Amino acid sequence: QKEVEQNSGPLSVPEGAIASLNCTYSDRGSQSFFWYRQYSGKSPELIMSIYSNGDKEDGRFTAQLNKASQYVSLLIRDSQPSDSATYLCAVNILNGGSQGNLIFGKGTKLSVKP
Amino acid sequence: KAGVTQTPRYLIKTRGQQVTLSCSPISGHRSVSWYQQTPGQGLQFLFEYFSETQRNKGNFPGRFSGRQFSNSRSEMNVSTLELGDSALYLCASSLGGVPLYGYTFGSGTRLTVV
Repeated sequence: QKEVEQNSGPLSVPEGAIASLNCTYSDRGSQSFFWYRQYSGKSPELIMSIYSNGDKEDGRFTAQLNKASQYVSLLIRDSQPSDSATYLCAVNILNGGSQGNLIFGKGTKLSVKP
Repeated sequence: KAGVTQTPRYLIKTRGQQVTLSCSPISGHRSVSWYQQTPGQGLQFLFEYFSETQRNKGNFPGRFSGRQFSNSRSEMNVSTLELGDSALYLCASSLGGVPLYGYTFGSGTRLTVV
């Protein structure tokens, strides 16, 4: 069973702080990694994708990938109350010769306190 | 550009009945994936269709089935409903199926089985 693991939280940070969200995955062959944000009662929304080892920055968000350690993280700088949501890590799991599908972690609930 | 459209938004069914959910992907997207989301299990992959063919399937019983039409619209069917089938069912579309760009989710169908 190929898995994606996240701490469920809740992770609570003060407004303006850096929020750090972590994810590990079991399939060494995975090549595509995504972070989704899901507000309560809404559907998941893609916020970041990363495919190579290292960091990828987009505004206040930075995704980090370490394939050797099978570890993906998301940093949110200058956290705002509007960032309060559940963050889902998703990994492309390959199925033999197929192009694979996205497997999601159970999500980390982030709360940003004013 | 219209997003992913799921109908209906809410459904209440009785145990033992069957249900059909519909999904219209973003125009030009040929891949449609279905997920079940519950508080305990998170997002779980049901199946993926690409060009009218089921390309991937998750670990769900045969009561869960789907299909895709030539215009890329997809339906999923659940027969002999059980209380445990109560969940948010999410449809996601992708440009080419290979999740290089991630998935775009619809608003979901909330199914309640009583």
